[in-house]
Amino acid sequence: GQQVMQIPQYQHVQEGEDFTTYCNSSTTLSNIQWYKQRPGGHPVFLIQLVKSGEVKKQKRLTFQFGEAKKNSSLHITATQTTDVGTYFCAGPNAGGTSYGKLTFGQGTILTVHP
Amino acid sequence: DGGITQSPKYLFRKEGQNVTLSCEQNLNHDAMYWYRQDPGQGLRLIYYSQIVNDFQKGDIAEGYSVSREKKESFPLTVTSAQKNPTAFYLCASSIAGRSNEKLFFGSGTQLSVL
Repeated sequence: GQQVMQIPQYQHVQEGEDFTTYCNSSTTLSNIQWYKQRPGGHPVFLIQLVKSGEVKKQKRLTFQFGEAKKNSSLHITATQTTDVGTYFCAGPNAGGTSYGKLTFGQGTILTVHP
Repeated sequence: DGGITQSPKYLFRKEGQNVTLSCEQNLNHDAMYWYRQDPGQGLRLIYYSQIVNDFQKGDIAEGYSVSREKKESFPLTVTSAQKNPTAFYLCASSIAGRSNEKLFFGSGTQLSVL
């Protein structure tokens, strides 16, 4: 079945350092979504990428969708303690349907040391 | 405020017992989902429903059951057949269940076995 792999599983950074998490799918994706889950909280939608090679920015966060639409990345510039949490990527299940069944990556747990 | 309400926040199950997790939404969304989250793993889909009185099995439906008698409600029952029920359960919804729609999550229920 479809797999969505995310690396690294854990990332510890000093405040002010940059952070990147990578997402790779075993199948071509029609779109990819990114979510953030704060410690003790629930996932919150960040962004969706649809086009091949698409790049979107949200303040210090930069999201990229690969040319082949099988990989994606999230880059945070100059991390802050408010960036702490788990970042998930998610893509629609393969199968040719338009149902909103998403396959989630394992997530990258980001810790920021002040 | 519109949103998804899950209850209870914490739940304990005894051996051989069925327990039901509540999920209510006032977003007027057609589609609702149940995900299971284990430490170090992504979110795995248990069941989903795109319309009242209809639901489909996700990737890990064994040992679980659901109902969708009302648009606003999508309760999940963890049966005694689920041998490893300890996990964080997340309910989500989307507008119509299409694969390009973002998910809105509830605050989750932590289920533990006594």
